[in-house]
Amino acid sequence: DVKVTQSSRYLVKRTGEKVFLECVQDMDHENMFWYRQDPGLGLRLIYFSYDVKMKEKGDIPEGYSVSREKKERFSLILESASTNQTSMYLCASSFRRGGAETQYFGPGTRLLVL
Amino acid sequence: EDQVTQSPEALRLQEGESSSLNCSYTVSGLRGLFWYRQDPGKGPEFLFTLYSAGEEKEKERLKATLTKKESFLHITAPKPEDSATYLCAVVPKAAGNKLTFGGGTRVLVKP
Repeated sequence: DVKVTQSSRYLVKRTGEKVFLECVQDMDHENMFWYRQDPGLGLRLIYFSYDVKMKEKGDIPEGYSVSREKKERFSLILESASTNQTSMYLCASSFRRGGAETQYFGPGTRLLVL
Repeated sequence: EDQVTQSPEALRLQEGESSSLNCSYTVSGLRGLFWYRQDPGKGPEFLFTLYSAGEEKEKERLKATLTKKESFLHITAPKPEDSATYLCAVVPKAAGNKLTFGGGTRVLVKP
């Protein structure tokens, strides 16, 4: 079974703090993704990566950055957290680039920025 | 612009009352369509992938079908444990591996 884990289930941070969300997958997947999910807006893609040290912007990258130093780990960074970044953050991974590969999701991190 | 619309937004069913969820899509060529189930406070759980019109997939009480413009998720004789939000997503041919999600259908099955 594919396993995608996220470092925290719940986080509370203050405005202006730097926030790190970590995601690890154990299936040697090439692709990794970060989404946020908000009521009424659905899932929106923030950033994704097809390989180590590679990253591409998704639909809503503003205010975020990412890091992929190892194949199994993909980090989402909020450089200076703001209240409008309060959301559910979901990490996903899929096997390889190209085609319609199934994305497997982690349990999510619910972030509250005060 | 690629678009995915799910209907209804919410569905209340009695246990045993079969129904269907709709996912209509507008994309410039479809590479694949995915169905996920999401429980409150959790990440989406993969159910099915469909690749071409006419394809069908089944798992327990769920059956997914695909036409050139829409997909249906049929729930046969649902049980309370089928209560969840069901998400549909597509991969357009020009989008690499990027998913475009619909807004989801919240299903509540009452005993």
